[in-house]
Amino acid sequence: EPEITQTPSHQVTQMGQEVILRCVPISNHLYFYWYRQILGQKVEFLVSFYNNEISEKSEIFDDQFSVERPDGSNFTLKIRSTKLEDSAMYFCASSIQGISEKLFFGSGTQLSVL
Amino acid sequence: AQSVAQPEDQVNVAEGNPLTVKCTYSVSGNPYLFWYVQYPNRGLQFLLKYITGDNLVKGSYGFEAEFNKSQTSFHLKKPSALVSDSALYFCAVRDMAPGGFKTIFGAGTRLFVKA
Repeated sequence: EPEITQTPSHQVTQMGQEVILRCVPISNHLYFYWYRQILGQKVEFLVSFYNNEISEKSEIFDDQFSVERPDGSNFTLKIRSTKLEDSAMYFCASSIQGISEKLFFGSGTQLSVL
Repeated sequence: AQSVAQPEDQVNVAEGNPLTVKCTYSVSGNPYLFWYVQYPNRGLQFLLKYITGDNLVKGSYGFEAEFNKSQTSFHLKKPSALVSDSALYFCAVRDMAPGGFKTIFGAGTRLFVKA
């Protein structure tokens, strides 16, 4: 089965620093997402991205967050000034099409903000 | 707003016994429902989905789920549990609001299968 690649697998940063989480979605997929999971519990939606623009974002996705797909393959999540509460596992996901399609998830980036 | 609820934080079952992981949903309109599984240190993996049609949906690894409109439930089932089924299971619903693109996940149910 096709896989999504996420890098790095672990990221430790100091509060206030910028981090960029990277993802290579599956090549023929059109919809891209970021989710996060805190302490192995609830999976929270952050943002969806389609046709090179944000299609929906949650309340969590404030001005400190941004996404882009700079080269048509990589899909990145940037947190401009990290807070302690940003510590979580961040998952990139993608789907071939829209609402009826399953999501494919990467293995995640564990972000620890100290 | 669309939502799903998983009333059990944890389900314990003996290997070989049938298992059920419960999920109820709240949606406006017809629901698009999913089950995903998460193994330790891994991303979520798709198990099965209900879009329309037969209320009994079959998925990966011998799992199935029954869509019940009157009870607004979508319980995950397996006739005979394996130790390797031990994992975290998430019920999910696709947001059908205009312009909605997200999948909304339940809180998850941890399944322990004892040998």
